[in-house]
Amino acid sequence: GQQLNQSPQSMFIQEGEDVSMNCTSSSIFNTWLWYKQDPGEGPVLLIALYKAGELTSNGRLTAQFGITRKDSFLNISASIPSDVGIYFCAGQLQGAQKLVFGQGTRLTINP
Amino acid sequence: SQTIHQWPATLVQPVGSPLSLECTVEGTSNPNLYWYRQAAGRGLQLLFYSVGIGQISSEVPQNLSASRPQDRQFILSSKKLLLSDSGFYLCAWSPTGGWGEKLFFGSGTQLSVL
Repeated sequence: GQQLNQSPQSMFIQEGEDVSMNCTSSSIFNTWLWYKQDPGEGPVLLIALYKAGELTSNGRLTAQFGITRKDSFLNISASIPSDVGIYFCAGQLQGAQKLVFGQGTRLTINP
Repeated sequence: SQTIHQWPATLVQPVGSPLSLECTVEGTSNPNLYWYRQAAGRGLQLLFYSVGIGQISSEVPQNLSASRPQDRQFILSSKKLLLSDSGFYLCAWSPTGGWGEKLFFGSGTQLSVL
């Protein structure tokens, strides 16, 4: 099925650093969602994007819906230990219904 | 407010044994319901979804089945588990007709088939 290319697959950073991850596809998306999954838990929605070019913030998190509608990025500023987890992008393809998920970015933070 | 409950949290089962995982949603009516599987360190694979009571769509051929006996109850089952059924199973819901809307996930069931 349709795949989203999420990168990087993993990140090892120092506390306080900024983080950037993205998802790309060759197809056009109507919606982009970013989730965070803590170990042993279900993913929790962080940010939802519905318009091309839209830039939305949630505290230290900022996400953008790419102008081409084929990509999205998530930035985390001034990382803290509780940011550790797996971040997933998800999108709704144009003309489709089901959400497509990226493979996730595993974030590890060294104190 | 809406809540989703999924149980058990952890399950260890022998190969060939049956499986029943249950998920219920509170605080909403006629939600879309979903079962996902997550292999260790991997992404999310959609297994089943349901837009109403008794309406089940399967995404991938597999050893599992799903049922929706009540509006807000979704059950994942197997008659005989395989080793390859091990994984982290997540139930999720979204508002009626809202595929592109947000998905809300349960806390998951870690299934180990030995």
